[in-house]
Amino acid sequence: QQQVKQSPQSLIVQKGGISIINCAYENTAFDYFPWYQQFPGKGPALLIAIRPDVSEKKEGRFTISFNKSAKQFSLHIMDSQPGDSATYFCAASTNSGGSNYKLTFGKGTLLTVNP
Amino acid sequence: NAGVTQTPKFQVLKTGQSMTLQCAQDMNHEYMSWYRQDPGMGLRLIHYSVGAGITDQGEVPNGYNVSRSTTEDFPLRLLSAAPSQTSVYFCASRWGGRSEKLFFGSGTQLSVL
Repeated sequence: QQQVKQSPQSLIVQKGGISIINCAYENTAFDYFPWYQQFPGKGPALLIAIRPDVSEKKEGRFTISFNKSAKQFSLHIMDSQPGDSATYFCAASTNSGGSNYKLTFGKGTLLTVNP
Repeated sequence: NAGVTQTPKFQVLKTGQSMTLQCAQDMNHEYMSWYRQDPGMGLRLIHYSVGAGITDQGEVPNGYNVSRSTTEDFPLRLLSAAPSQTSVYFCASRWGGRSEKLFFGSGTQLSVL
């Protein structure tokens, strides 16, 4: 059972455009929703994260929008740049900070930003 | 401060061989974990540890063993490799408590023939 569903699988955007990646979840016990960015040949790295007590979080050109009632969250990349080309993973966890912490990842989105 | 170090970077095994993937972190992180990454499957948790001497299973533990004798090291053992274990393996660690940020190593690409 896939606990975090991510779409689209791949995305091509022109330089300067907006990239949008969506995720949905079922487990209402999830209390932490991060996005990880992975460049080829590298390990994933935390990009931005949100907790369900806020509806939006912005860091530079990256914004997470969170809809608790719909159990959905999305990543928006404004003014997309070729350097943003990477694989993006959404994730969710329960018992964040506790001893039973587990992070469940979506299947990933390969973003290509054309110059 | 090297972060999370994984060795080897690449490995080719024959079916039935055994090997250990090494993971070490120098950040004094309590929590360490192993993920495998397969095309179209995302990152799936194999095993994790919340401290020395404590380990638990993740989503896909079959065929893998782990132990945590020190805070720094968390090796992953394949006792009898199978082609289905061909994958890229990532070790990740984090502080305990309320810090959820995972720090990933650069991965081990394993092929089982």
